[in-house]
Amino acid sequence: KNEVEQSPQNLTAQEGEFITINCSYSVGISALHWLQQHPGGGIVSLFMLSSGKKKHGRLIATINIQEKHSSLHITASHPRDSAVYICAVRYGTDKLIFGTGTRLQVFP
Amino acid sequence: NAGVTQTPKFQVLKTGQSMTLQCAQDMNHEYMSWYRQDPGMGLRLIHYSVGAGITDQGEVPNGYNVSRSTTEDFPLRLLSAAPSQTSVYFCASRQTRTSGLSYEQYFGPGTRLTVT
Repeated sequence: KNEVEQSPQNLTAQEGEFITINCSYSVGISALHWLQQHPGGGIVSLFMLSSGKKKHGRLIATINIQEKHSSLHITASHPRDSAVYICAVRYGTDKLIFGTGTRLQVFP
Repeated sequence: NAGVTQTPKFQVLKTGQSMTLQCAQDMNHEYMSWYRQDPGMGLRLIHYSVGAGITDQGEVPNGYNVSRSTTEDFPLRLLSAAPSQTSVYFCASRQTRTSGLSYEQYFGPGTRLTVT
């Protein structure tokens, strides 16, 4: 069983829809990261959080430490949001475990 | 700041050849790492370094060497390339946790390597 599970693996949406991507993990963590990988391949960090909720523009990330679960929400989705979204957890001696990613396609 | 830079962007090698993937960062980050990304799998840690002169193995170190002679540079060497090393390689850097600064991870643009 993977230590970091993301769902769904693939997601398609119409422009304007509200998107939710989920991440569950099985280890004790010190922080959780959400990353975005565009079709060109580059990876950028969206959020790093250890409790509660963070918001940046149309993106919202939440984490529930007790339930070992995090969600990434995209409000009013746009075709430019099409990318792979990756969850990663930080644990132990400062190491990261990555999920396999959720591929999102937003159609106009 | 250029952030994290990697060269080359693409490389094709024959089995048995050696090469070095270059990685540099200009953010004075102590922690640097190399990952490989394969279809259907999450990024996996190859080697990492917590400062100049200090390196350690990650999850999948076999077939790779690293060195860290300066804070800025962290090259990854493939000693004798094998088809199983066909992958996309990412270098990343951040502050260490003990620095008390934000340890958001910064990634390079990636190197797509094919071994035939």
